[in-house]
Amino acid sequence: DQQVKQNSPSLSVQEGRISILNCDYTNSMFDYFLWYKKYPAEGPTFLISISSIKDKNEDGRFTVFLNKSAKHLSLHIVPSQPGDSAVYFCAASANTGNQFYFGTGTSLTVIP
Amino acid sequence: ETGVTQSPTHLIKTRGQQVTLRCSSQSGHNTVSWYQQALGQGPQFIFQYYREEENGRGNFPPRFSGLQFPNYSSELNVNALELDDSALYLCASSLQGSSYEQYFGPGTRLTVT
Repeated sequence: DQQVKQNSPSLSVQEGRISILNCDYTNSMFDYFLWYKKYPAEGPTFLISISSIKDKNEDGRFTVFLNKSAKHLSLHIVPSQPGDSAVYFCAASANTGNQFYFGTGTSLTVIP
Repeated sequence: ETGVTQSPTHLIKTRGQQVTLRCSSQSGHNTVSWYQQALGQGPQFIFQYYREEENGRGNFPPRFSGLQFPNYSSELNVNALELDDSALYLCASSLQGSSYEQYFGPGTRLTVT
């Protein structure tokens, strides 16, 4: 039972444009959401998070939006850079934060 | 500051064997979580250890077990290996209270033949 879904396995974007990565979840108990970036042969790296009391969190070029009624979150990267090319995972947690549910990932390619 | 390290990098085992994977936490972190990432999938939570005690477990059978040591390093043991256990095993360390921000190691690639 996949509680966190990333329906786009891959995305290609031109350098300088906006990248939008999407994530849907089914469990209404989730109250904390994270995005991780993963390069080949490395572990995932924490990128940005948002709690359910907010609908937006921004950190430099990265912004995460949360729509609780739609059970949907998105990660915006602007402007996109070639170094952003990686697999992006969204993850969600409920209450305790000791169990995270990950999506299947979206492979982003930023074309120079 | 030392990051999360895992050993070995790669491992090949035969069905029915047992395996032990190791993880050293990031300096100052007292919580370790283990994940299994099958090909084309996201990481799946196996269990978490906090101060040497199991602190949550995902939907994995008892043949997946773990340990955390006083220095907060950790082991993942898998008994009676099955072909479906072939995956990348990731550990992540965090500071309890800030456990939302987990720092991952590079993983151990286990192949079961």
